[in-house]
Amino acid sequence: DAGVTQSPTHLIKTRGQQVTLRCSPKSGHDTVSWYQQALGQGPQFIFQYYEEEERQRGNFPDRFSGHQFPNYSSELNVNALLLGDSALYLCASSLSRDEQYFGPGTRLTVT
Amino acid sequence: DQQVKQNSPSLSVQEGRISILNCDYTNSMFDYFLWYKKYPAEGPTFLISISSIKDKNEDGRFTVFLNKSAKHLSLHIVPSQPGDSAVYFCAASAGGGSQGNLIFGKGTKLSVKP
Repeated sequence: DAGVTQSPTHLIKTRGQQVTLRCSPKSGHDTVSWYQQALGQGPQFIFQYYEEEERQRGNFPDRFSGHQFPNYSSELNVNALLLGDSALYLCASSLSRDEQYFGPGTRLTVT
Repeated sequence: DQQVKQNSPSLSVQEGRISILNCDYTNSMFDYFLWYKKYPAEGPTFLISISSIKDKNEDGRFTVFLNKSAKHLSLHIVPSQPGDSAVYFCAASAGGGSQGNLIFGKGTKLSVKP
């Protein structure tokens, strides 16, 4: 079992650009949640996808959007990147609302 | 305003002794609490959880205690081992016992010295 996988591992973007991060859930999981972890902070909930729809959303602007595909994989898109978007982006998968399993994250640096 | 607080950024313990990590919360709607462990370059790994209907949950060397009146929970690791050295995050959910939006604390870095 591959567990939760995320790509890419690291990414460097320029202010104003757009970025897409990808997540493949653990086998058998149907729900994907995305979190942002800034340096020295705990993960902050961005949103959760279930049945290809956004089920819950945290306090993040509309520049953050997502998508879930029929195979349960998911993408996180961030538009008009700001320096403050530099962080570790974590994907977590679960079977509906059960325990969440986290991937290793994507380190995004905005310059 | 932080709803989940871990007031100790770091903790150092001798191998074999007890490690106690603390967490406070402010939202009385939280009804499910979890502890995650995180090594560098890895995602958080689920450790142990507790529902608000309980005051203690034990799993091997790990025990979580919940004091609802004080809005406080703690993680006890006995005995502590060098491999336990990691950042520990406390998280809470108001999902009726299930996990939706997890609210995390800032973490406590535990160092277990041989």
